[in-house]
Amino acid sequence: KAGVTQTPRYLIKTRGQQVTLSCSPISGHRSVSWYQQTPGQGLQFLFEYFSETQRNKGNFPGRFSGRQFSNSRSEMNVSTLELGDSALYLCASSRLDSFSGNTIYFGEGSWLTVV
Amino acid sequence: ILNVEQSPQSLHVQEGDSTNFTCSFPSSNFYALHWYRWETAKSPEALFVMTLNGDEKKKGRISATLNTKEGYSYLYIKGSQPEDSATYLCATQGGSEKLVFGKGTKLTVNP
Repeated sequence: KAGVTQTPRYLIKTRGQQVTLSCSPISGHRSVSWYQQTPGQGLQFLFEYFSETQRNKGNFPGRFSGRQFSNSRSEMNVSTLELGDSALYLCASSRLDSFSGNTIYFGEGSWLTVV
Repeated sequence: ILNVEQSPQSLHVQEGDSTNFTCSFPSSNFYALHWYRWETAKSPEALFVMTLNGDEKKKGRISATLNTKEGYSYLYIKGSQPEDSATYLCATQGGSEKLVFGKGTKLTVNP
């Protein structure tokens, strides 16, 4: 059974550009979440999608957005990139077949460097 | 406690030592506590999900306990091996799939 797959794994962008990251959840998983990890910070929650709807959003500016498709695959977009957006972006998925206590599985992440 | 806090921040032990780490969290709006093991360049590996006060989980040489009333969880590793070297993360879950993470405990096991 394939795990959470994220593409691309590594990318370099210039300030002011935009970037789109992709996440394919584990088959059968309907909830997809995104997290950011920067040096010195713990994993910070960006947003969560379920059935193509954003259910939760973290404390990030509007330049960070996402969406989920009908097959549960998700993308996140960062517009007008800033140097501080350089980070590891992790995607996670879960089955969501009970209200809580599901195991949440993570991908290997996409490393974004903004220069 | 307002945030999820983990201690110690880092830990060096010798092969064969047993060790434990602490995760402290706000006890309000609590639904679950997750432990992850994260090796460099890999995805965080789910170890345990615990929901009930007094929960104890075990996976090989690793075990965890949960006290939701006082807001803490312990992770124990018995007989540490070099392959246990990793960052161990705990995260709380409220009434959604959002996880709030601590900053982790970095464990180094010296052969």
